[in-house]
Amino acid sequence: KNQVEQSPQSLIILEGKNCTLQCNYTVSPFSNLRWYKQDTGRGPVSLTIMTFSENTKSNGRYTATLDADTKQSSLHITASQLSDSASYICVVSVWYGGSQGNLIFGKGTKLSVKP
Amino acid sequence: EPEVTQTPSHQVTQMGQEVILRCVPISNHLYFYWYRQILGQKVEFLVSFYNNEISEKSEIFDDQFSVERPDGSNFTLKIRSTKLEDSAMYFCASNYGGANTGELFFGEGSRLTVL
Repeated sequence: KNQVEQSPQSLIILEGKNCTLQCNYTVSPFSNLRWYKQDTGRGPVSLTIMTFSENTKSNGRYTATLDADTKQSSLHITASQLSDSASYICVVSVWYGGSQGNLIFGKGTKLSVKP
Repeated sequence: EPEVTQTPSHQVTQMGQEVILRCVPISNHLYFYWYRQILGQKVEFLVSFYNNEISEKSEIFDDQFSVERPDGSNFTLKIRSTKLEDSAMYFCASNYGGANTGELFFGEGSRLTVL
């Protein structure tokens, strides 16, 4: 069964600190892995997209890594800001051929950045 | 910056009533999606739509649900006879190249409350 598991479930850090969120997946056939940021009550916003051949991708203070062999990904947030408080969702795309596919969502990690 | 817009932002309805949720995808996008998120749970795929027809649907998307692109700009989700368990946030999403290629853009969501 295609699944995406994230840890930790929630995390509290102080402003200015770094943190790393984890994602493990069992999805086949794998197409790509995405990290989304979702503010409470809002729609998810894309941070990064990685195919199996990409190991690292950065978007400002966000850096995602992907190990396609172990089926693990991480999202590292550097110098956290209060506005980083949100849920971070790992999403893996299943490839059905051509452009078709399906997105499997993790439950997300709820990050709270405190002053 | 182009965005996916959804209306209404919040709808309260009585069990058994019909509900239509509306979405205006980004204008040059070809693939359209509906997802839902029950409070505190992960985002779940409902249906994808391409070339004026459903391309994929999940087990959740039963006969009570239907989608339509009535006029080339709007993309609607209809729930024929709402149940209590339909209470959720419904997200519309769109992109140009399909689920396997490129970023998926989400709307801000329509919160449906069924009483």
